[in-house]
Amino acid sequence: DSGVTQTPKHLITATGQRVTLRCSPRSGDLSVYWYQQSLDQGLQFLIQYYNGEERAKGNILERFSAQQFPDLHSELNLSSLELGDSALYFCASSSRTGGYGTDTQYFGPGTRLTVL
Amino acid sequence: GNSVTQMEGPVTLSEEAFLTINCTYTATGYPSLFWYVQYPGEGLQLLLKATKADDKGSNKGFEATYRKETTSFHLEKGSVQVSDSAVYFCALMNSGYSTLTFGKGTMLLVSP
Repeated sequence: DSGVTQTPKHLITATGQRVTLRCSPRSGDLSVYWYQQSLDQGLQFLIQYYNGEERAKGNILERFSAQQFPDLHSELNLSSLELGDSALYFCASSSRTGGYGTDTQYFGPGTRLTVL
Repeated sequence: GNSVTQMEGPVTLSEEAFLTINCTYTATGYPSLFWYVQYPGEGLQLLLKATKADDKGSNKGFEATYRKETTSFHLEKGSVQVSDSAVYFCALMNSGYSTLTFGKGTMLLVSP
């Protein structure tokens, strides 16, 4: 158990809908990262938040957004869903933003999103 | 840009066989290198890491050496067990950043 929790575990929805994925980082961790794992694209970094502020952006679509709240939990919002958004979405947390002497990222169990 | 290339799987071995999973990378500067493991139905777990050239990361009998001259970070284990069956991901993180770039993953299947 990494200490990172994600809800829900599974989500099935229809095209055009909007969903929210939730992540609670390890106690004391300030950074939260979101990753998407799909069969064709593999594991891709989406976005990072550090202590409530956006810190880095990866291959995140404009239809997707995220935020980190004062209690440090984070939510990933996916809207106007398409079939191709079906994937496993992972959240990870670490204690610092990183840099030389990098912090380990601890991954949650993921949320499997199926868009029908 | 950054990229990580891993050998395609699945890699199928018998218990106690020697394991090598190849990983090469392209990056600017001096990245840190990682191996993560994903067991069925679970999230990724850090297996080992190396932060500079010639460093050797090791954990649970697995090891990998950061080779700058060949831009490689191959994962090895002398004697695999059935419980090592999982998907293994090689990843890099550039100095000054904290985001990971992953390879496609290599599935390892170990039979008794």
